[in-house]
Amino acid sequence: DAGVIQSPRHEVTEMGQEVTLRCKPISGHNSLFWYRQTMMRGLELLIYFNNNVPIDDSGMPEDRFSAKMPNASFSTLKIQPSEPRDSAVYFCASSLSSATGGPSPLHFGNGTRLTVT
Amino acid sequence: AQSVSQHNHHVILSEAASLELGCNYSYGGTVNLFWYVQYPGQHLQLLLKYFSGDPLVKGIKGFEAEFIKSKFSFNLRKPSVQWSDTAEYFCAVFSGNTGKLIFGQGTTLQVKP
Repeated sequence: DAGVIQSPRHEVTEMGQEVTLRCKPISGHNSLFWYRQTMMRGLELLIYFNNNVPIDDSGMPEDRFSAKMPNASFSTLKIQPSEPRDSAVYFCASSLSSATGGPSPLHFGNGTRLTVT
Repeated sequence: AQSVSQHNHHVILSEAASLELGCNYSYGGTVNLFWYVQYPGQHLQLLLKYFSGDPLVKGIKGFEAEFIKSKFSFNLRKPSVQWSDTAEYFCAVFSGNTGKLIFGQGTTLQVKP
């Protein structure tokens, strides 16, 4: 089991540039989550998908943020245009949710450390 | 709104000391509770979880947590910490109604050798 795979591990970009973060969930998992981690705000849930469908994106901070899950094995989180305050570690996580709604524990990727200068 | 509160932001202990990290949540319905650990420079890993049954849950590396429904609490404990336990610890609550897993702010544990 390769686990949740995120790329890139580190991203440094200039303000105004577009940033795309990628995630490959664990095969067979049907839920995918994007979290942002900062010192000030801790771990924030940005958006989560169930069976490739966005269920709740209320955590997405602004319209500059968008996420897609075109198939069960791939998701992207895009920031356009990026700003210095977007600097954070972005984690992708996946899990297998049962029909009754209870989750299996989340499995996290190694994260992408984003720095916007 | 559903929330998770971890009372201790930064804890410093000597090796062999006992540990208890507080976690309270604000949600009255059925919840699933988790503790995750994040070692320096690494991703979050599951420490233990509570879904139902015995409210005293044992996890990996000698950690345990007790779910007290009346207090909306799920405190993490370890009788004797080691230097290798230095990490950040996150309490998390999953609500079946919202389908969200919400994390607390985290507690940084520093264990002095």
